[in-house]
Amino acid sequence: EAGVVQSPRYKIIEKKQPVAFWCNPISGHNTLYWYLQNLGQGPELLIRYENEEAVDDSQLPKDRFSAERLKGVDSTLKIQPAELGDSAVYLCASSLGDSNTEAFFGQGTRLTVV
Amino acid sequence: GQSLEQPSEVTAVEGAIVQINCTYQTSGFYGLSWYQQHDGGAPTFLSYNGLDGLEETGRFSSFLSRSDSYGYLLLQELQMKDSASYFCAVDADKLIFGTGTRLQVFP
Repeated sequence: EAGVVQSPRYKIIEKKQPVAFWCNPISGHNTLYWYLQNLGQGPELLIRYENEEAVDDSQLPKDRFSAERLKGVDSTLKIQPAELGDSAVYLCASSLGDSNTEAFFGQGTRLTVV
Repeated sequence: GQSLEQPSEVTAVEGAIVQINCTYQTSGFYGLSWYQQHDGGAPTFLSYNGLDGLEETGRFSSFLSRSDSYGYLLLQELQMKDSASYFCAVDADKLIFGTGTRLQVFP
């Protein structure tokens, strides 16, 4: 069974440019998360979806970040415009049902803003 | 506020036993999970405690005391491949991660 797939793995952009990340969760997992992880820190939740509904986006900086999960499967996370402080690893995870018992993570996208 | 506290770093030798503690303060609590993350890799699930007590999975065990807002991960018979970061995570209607404990295993 394929795990959570994210692309791209690495992205380098100049500040003020837009960037988008893509995530394909494990088949059948209706809960999808986007996390941000800075070096030496734990993952921080940006947004959580149950199917196509964003049930928790309280930590998403909505002035520059947006996300969507059309049809309740794949998801994209966008930053526009990117700032230097956005440099981090962006992790996508999925879980079965609405339980937070076990989340499966993708390899992440390492974003560098220069 | 919500906070999870873990030691930042732990060192041990192969074959030893190490315990990584986690104390938490969150609004809402359903359970405590542990994740392992190797450098450059994805966090991977290790264990979950929804009830007080000890859960054992091979060389790894996890403990929870809800009344003390405390849990720990116990790693036995340490191997070099166990060198990684370990995160406790609280299920508080969303998964909240601690800052992680970096474990270094020496030969």
